[in-house]
Amino acid sequence: SAVISQKPSRDICQRGTSLTIQCQVDSQVTMMFWYRQQPGQSLTLIATANQGSEATYESGFVIDKFPISRPNLTFSTLTVSNMSPEDSSIYLCSAADSSYEQYFGPGTRLTVT
Amino acid sequence: QKEVEQDPGPLSVPEGAIVSLNCTYSNSAFQYFMWYRQYSRKGPELLMYTYSSGNKEDGRFTAQVDKSSKYISLFIRDSQPSDSATYLCAMNYNYQLIWGAGTKLIIKP
Repeated sequence: SAVISQKPSRDICQRGTSLTIQCQVDSQVTMMFWYRQQPGQSLTLIATANQGSEATYESGFVIDKFPISRPNLTFSTLTVSNMSPEDSSIYLCSAADSSYEQYFGPGTRLTVT
Repeated sequence: QKEVEQDPGPLSVPEGAIVSLNCTYSNSAFQYFMWYRQYSRKGPELLMYTYSSGNKEDGRFTAQVDKSSKYISLFIRDSQPSDSATYLCAMNYNYQLIWGAGTKLIIKP
């Protein structure tokens, strides 16, 4: 199984600013994903990070708000832009080499004031 | 109707009890069925996956899939306080996972 790290683990940001979250995998993987999870809730997929091409966004999420990069097979970033208090959440990165086995990072806990 | 239904609980049982966690789903195209465990303030951890119908056992954990009823279960034998966590079921659709709401499980010493 892949080991995934995320930075930062938590942050408190002011509204209107942007935060970039980094996700590092200890091995090359085919797929990387970004999720959002409200406390006590299930996971909502934001986008699939594609190596060498634009990310694929789910309904309700747009590139201008959540730009994603994936420069290689072990690294991805998610930026939360022009933040508002509604963006306060836990952001999770995951990696997969198959259609069913996804491994998750520890998450980034974001609070927007 | 959601594609995957899971009772959010909480489910509280005494230590040593057998725990049964369940999900129902509507899409017959799902092929792999996963159970994840998530401790508070941690990312989800893949516990087990099952392909198609049948049972799979790993230590105290047994995953069961009944595709004819569109129903999956996770059984935990000899439950321990360390099993207290949220358990999420997930099913694959191409390379994406469709998630249940998660069941919060509390094992009382």
